[in-house]
Amino acid sequence: GAVVSQHPSWVICKSGTSVKIECRSLDFQATTMFWYRQFPKQSLMLMATSNEGSKATYEQGVEKDKFLINHASLTLSTLTVTSAHPEDSSFYICSARSRGRTPGNTIYFGEGSWLTVV
Amino acid sequence: AQSVSQHNHHVILSEAASLELGCNYSYGGTVNLFWYVQYPGQHLQLLLKYFSGDPLVKGIKGFEAEFIKSKFSFNLRKPSVQWSDTAEYFCAVFLYNFNKFYFGSGTKLNVKP
Repeated sequence: GAVVSQHPSWVICKSGTSVKIECRSLDFQATTMFWYRQFPKQSLMLMATSNEGSKATYEQGVEKDKFLINHASLTLSTLTVTSAHPEDSSFYICSARSRGRTPGNTIYFGEGSWLTVV
Repeated sequence: AQSVSQHNHHVILSEAASLELGCNYSYGGTVNLFWYVQYPGQHLQLLLKYFSGDPLVKGIKGFEAEFIKSKFSFNLRKPSVQWSDTAEYFCAVFLYNFNKFYFGSGTKLNVKP
């Protein structure tokens, strides 16, 4: 099946620094990628939807200047957490919707990235 | 705003009991519906999905779900649960016209042996 790869799987950074998380679709082209965060024992909260070649659409309450999303190609989207703070520590997951097929059966998830800000 | 709700937050069952987890969505347009399971310490795993056709969808591990359009519901069912079904279950909806993919708040299922 289709594979979505996230990197890094684990990252620890100091408060005030920025960290970038990559989401790649390895064997398909992703017109849309979704970024989520999941706090321990909670559900996945949609942060933003990114479409290739255009600006990301952020959900209400998500700071677009803090969570920079870039979707420069059909196989790569990046999430940069700028000026990270301990409260940004979370599990970040991306999912990718493939191009040119019926939606619904072609949304694939990455394995997630654990971010710890110390 | 979230478009999918799961009303059961925590369900406790004994083995062999039947399971039904509720999922409702609030959107009148075209949707695709999913159920995912997350076992303790593991990643999300797709149980089943609906995008068209037969509203009764069968998934893995003996799970099924029924799409009832008039009720905006997509409840998950299993006739006889096992201890190994202990996990958290998430309903998700893809809003076709908005190109958004939302998750419900999740239901923790605890199956007692």
